[in-house]
Amino acid sequence: NAGVTQTPKFQVLKTGQSMTLQCAQDMNHNSMYWYRQDPGMGLRLIYYSASEGTTDKGEVPNGYNVSRLNKREFSLRLESAAPSQTSVYFCASTRGTGTGRRGYTFGSGTRLTVV
Amino acid sequence: AQSVTQPDIHITVSEGASLELRCNYSYGATPYLFWYVQSPGQGLQLLLKYFSGDTLVQGIKGFEAEFKRSQSSFNLRKPSVHWSDAAEYFCAVGDSGNTPLVFGKGTRLSVIA
Repeated sequence: NAGVTQTPKFQVLKTGQSMTLQCAQDMNHNSMYWYRQDPGMGLRLIYYSASEGTTDKGEVPNGYNVSRLNKREFSLRLESAAPSQTSVYFCASTRGTGTGRRGYTFGSGTRLTVV
Repeated sequence: AQSVTQPDIHITVSEGASLELRCNYSYGATPYLFWYVQSPGQGLQLLLKYFSGDTLVQGIKGFEAEFKRSQSSFNLRKPSVHWSDAAEYFCAVGDSGNTPLVFGKGTRLSVIA
């Protein structure tokens, strides 16, 4: 089915380990986003890419890096994981270069635990 | 900067009762407003959206929302709640430019028999 695919769905890391969360969309969308969801905090934007070749920081970028590999793929990297990065991570995309009138399409999330 | 407030963290309603979830936003121009629903362990699904025109918008699953500029609100309503509506609901605000969506902290809805 068309949409946003995130891998992996679950991951446990030890403090200090690194990993990359993958996100791919097959809707030919221009903009892609990474959010984290924590209890009582809603969704907070980590990084986004308004178009291929551009990336910008969101509200909570510290400890993360991103790569817009091509129009389809937008990865999130944790270089040295910390327990504070335990969260559920969502990738989203939209056709335009901003919010647009369509809103975002979300992936099903990656549940990350750092011990 | 844009912001969204969902005053109610958790609401419990009886099946068949009506529902209203509150959302207040802060934004200078005409906002784009959205409601999303998240079932347990799932991603977010778009319920409805408003960006112009009729201030009462209809969405999926029998939900509707009304944009009230004077009150900076975009409350979500449903006349009769079903047990399957139990989920977390998020209000979000954006605009016509490149600013990413800003989400509220969510309201968790429980439905009792």
